[in-house]
Amino acid sequence: DAKTTQPTSMDCAEGRAANLPCNHSTISGNEYVYWYRQIHSQGPQYIIHGLKNNETNEMASLIITEDRKSSTLILPHATLRDTAVYYCIVRVVGNNRKLIWGLGTSLAVNP
Amino acid sequence: DTEVTQTPKHLVMGMTNKKSLKCEQHMGHRAMYWYKQKAKKPPELMFVYSYEKLSINESVPSRFSPECPNSSLLNLHLHALQPEDSALYLCASSQDGGRSYEQYFGPGTRLTVT
Repeated sequence: DAKTTQPTSMDCAEGRAANLPCNHSTISGNEYVYWYRQIHSQGPQYIIHGLKNNETNEMASLIITEDRKSSTLILPHATLRDTAVYYCIVRVVGNNRKLIWGLGTSLAVNP
Repeated sequence: DTEVTQTPKHLVMGMTNKKSLKCEQHMGHRAMYWYKQKAKKPPELMFVYSYEKLSINESVPSRFSPECPNSSLLNLHLHALQPEDSALYLCASSQDGGRSYEQYFGPGTRLTVT
């Protein structure tokens, strides 16, 4: 199973874009990249996922490099409520149930 | 309704006690999960139920006993726990099958073993 590495912590000014990197250099062709976040004292929340193509939804954008060895989660206009731990995760296609969690990046959005 | 509920929110128990954690979802999901999370660590998968059958047990000690009475409910029975079992216990649910899906998490039960 592929593993992910992320910066331990990052800061971002409110209203600016937050770019959270993730390295998954050993990812296999059948493994999806997922992002979840966990606001303090709450359960994790799904953000976005992708396999090869870049993806965008109402919360964020996911940019995956062409070699799939790294990705970046982009929060386009960070707010104070985006302060959380962000987890980069891989999931094996065909094993819908098991997520391989990274250690997460603690993002602090500052006023 | 995209909510997973867990009760109780907090639980303090002694090492000789028997207690249960409860989880409920009404999204029609057929996969349900128990995770354990220690402070400043990612969640660790414990058990997965698929269509009310146990499909994954991540070598969890037998003092943790899961139960899935029906497709909406998931219990975790606790007996003879150790202080190191103190953690946040998270329940999640998801559709089962398909190319992509997301897991919906409950708020967790904060367990303290004294």
